[in-house]
Amino acid sequence: QVQLQQSGPGLVKPSQTLSVTCAISGDSVSSNNAAWNWIRQSPSRGLEWLGRTYYRSKWFDDYAPSLKGRITINPDTSKNQFSLQLNSVTPEDTAVYFCARTGSGWAFDRWGQGTLVTVSS
Amino acid sequence: DIVMIQSPDSLAVSLGERATINCKSSQNVLHSSTNKHCLAWFQQKPGQPPKLLIYWASARESGVPDRFSGSGSGADFTLTISSLQAEDVAVYYCQQCHSIPLTFGGGTKVEIK
Repeated sequence: QVQLQQSGPGLVKPSQTLSVTCAISGDSVSSNNAAWNWIRQSPSRGLEWLGRTYYRSKWFDDYAPSLKGRITINPDTSKNQFSLQLNSVTPEDTAVYFCARTGSGWAFDRWGQGTLVTVSS
Repeated sequence: DIVMIQSPDSLAVSLGERATINCKSSQNVLHSSTNKHCLAWFQQKPGQPPKLLIYWASARESGVPDRFSGSGSGADFTLTISSLQAEDVAVYYCQQCHSIPLTFGGGTKVEIK
């Protein structure tokens, strides 16, 4: 069965880069039938989709316009994982970050366990 | 962006009674390529990631009890729990997959009366 395992630091200083990784088991980051997403959740913003990467003969990505310029989602085929990088973070980026798979139903059908990232000096 | 508005914010229902949650999108989420409404429902319990219940507005995810059902079309959708069980206490979210950025509703908290 498909499992997503997240890893990454829980504390990031303002203006620095937030990095979280999602390791995939039971599926492939290069699957032609899936997309790999990052979503965050905070009391002030609720559930917020950040972006996705997916492979359809070549790699594509989509990002939330509110984050464009600060966000990068990278697949790593050698490790079967994907990562989130968010630059120039502020305390407003404090949230629980989730990775999630979009499956054949175009819905987020598998989720990572969540990583609480706090932005604070 | 497509804005998703859920109502009510919270509701308390007696065990065994019906719970109904509404979700309205600011645009029609019928996807032309599939002729399906790109609308999903999730259940989230404290300390856990959201769990997919319903996709394509009315398709039940594998393993989800049949007391959960989704309905609606265009821009108006409903999640119904036909007979509330204690384990259904949670926050429920709708989400549209029609357009980027993908967006969620604000959530509806379901409690036992």
